[in-house]
Amino acid sequence: DAEITQSPRHKITETGRQVTLACHQTWNHNNMFWYRQDLGHGLRLIHYSYGVHDTNKGEVSDGYSVSRSNTEDLPLTLESAASSQTSVYFCASSRSSYEQYFGPGTRLTVT
Amino acid sequence: DAKTTQPTSMDCAEGRAANLPCNHSTISGNEYVYWYRQIHSQGPQYIIHGLKNNETNEMASLIITEDRKSSTLILPHATLRDTAVYYCIVRDSGAGSYQLTFGKGTKLSVIP
Repeated sequence: DAEITQSPRHKITETGRQVTLACHQTWNHNNMFWYRQDLGHGLRLIHYSYGVHDTNKGEVSDGYSVSRSNTEDLPLTLESAASSQTSVYFCASSRSSYEQYFGPGTRLTVT
Repeated sequence: DAKTTQPTSMDCAEGRAANLPCNHSTISGNEYVYWYRQIHSQGPQYIIHGLKNNETNEMASLIITEDRKSSTLILPHATLRDTAVYYCIVRDSGAGSYQLTFGKGTKLSVIP
């Protein structure tokens, strides 16, 4: 069955380190998204992509980057991890403008 | 995208219908109403969406008022597995408009 996966599911890293979170979908969806979720803030959009080599900034993009070299993957990179980036990160994909399908999430702790 | 207002929390008895309201009084003609839910520690799950007509699928029904200023998500026979945070989102589904803006949602607790 087609699916969307995220790895790792849990990550602990130190302040200042570079971290990459993986997102892989097998639906062949053109649209992919990264969100973060913190207590009291709901889900907030970090970056999104509408196709290969396309990337766009979302509401909270500072300190994050993405690249899209193929349809299936949209890795999220934290260039220099900060404690404020401790959060749960969700990746999503969609074929159309209607429903988005979310991954299981990655819980990141920056110490 | 128009702003939505939802109650912070609601309770529903198991087996009864759960009716979750959403106010979107500033909705414009091109904007759809979407509902997602998030079960604890999982990614959000799409439920249903609509423009002006009532919609039904295997999960729920969506009732949109004639003036489109409010809507209600109906879970016809709530089960304990329906305990989740439910998000009502209003968004223009035109080209280049694929982002979702999540609010705080309604925490639905289904009581045995």
